[in-house]
Amino acid sequence: KNEVEQSPQNLTAQEGEFITINCSYSVGISALHWLQQHPGGGIVSLFMLSSGKKKHGRLIATINIQEKHSSLHITASHPRDSAVYICAVRRGAGNQFYFGTGTSLTVIP
Amino acid sequence: EAGVVQSPRYKIIEKKQPVAFWCNPISGHNTLYWYRQNLGQGPELLIRYENEEAVDDSQLPKDRFSAERLKGVDSTLKIQPAELGDSAVYLCASSFPSRELFFGEGSRLTVL
Repeated sequence: KNEVEQSPQNLTAQEGEFITINCSYSVGISALHWLQQHPGGGIVSLFMLSSGKKKHGRLIATINIQEKHSSLHITASHPRDSAVYICAVRRGAGNQFYFGTGTSLTVIP
Repeated sequence: EAGVVQSPRYKIIEKKQPVAFWCNPISGHNTLYWYRQNLGQGPELLIRYENEEAVDDSQLPKDRFSAERLKGVDSTLKIQPAELGDSAVYLCASSFPSRELFFGEGSRLTVL
């Protein structure tokens, strides 16, 4: 069983739609990271969360430590948001990461 | 500030040949990671360095894979001999302790 589970695995949306990607984890963490990977591209860090909520432009990330769950929301989605979104958790005080398998998002114009 | 630099971006080799990947992390980042990513999967850790010490290499296939991080800065990952199943993207990442993770563009390996 993977320590980090994401859903859905694949998501197709119309431009302008509100999108939610979910991440659940089963281990104790010190932080949760949301990452973005465009096709053929490198991985970029979007958010690092240890509690509450963060917002950057049209992206919002929330985390519930008690429920071991995080969500990534995209408001007013755009075709350029099409990418794989990966949830990763940092284990304890160390530098060990566990990764989800990613959610592949396609936004259709 | 320069990001994590990897080379080569692409490499095509025949099976049983050797291959090496190079990574230059962000200046000052003492933690360096090598990951392997297969299509449709998340990154899988191969080895993690804290400065020049390999602190987690439990997932590194040591019969054919080796890595080094001389002077705690640049790192190389080597595969010898390569097998068909080694075709993947090899990602290097670096970070400060308890801070964000920065990835390089990756090195895409195709073994024929």
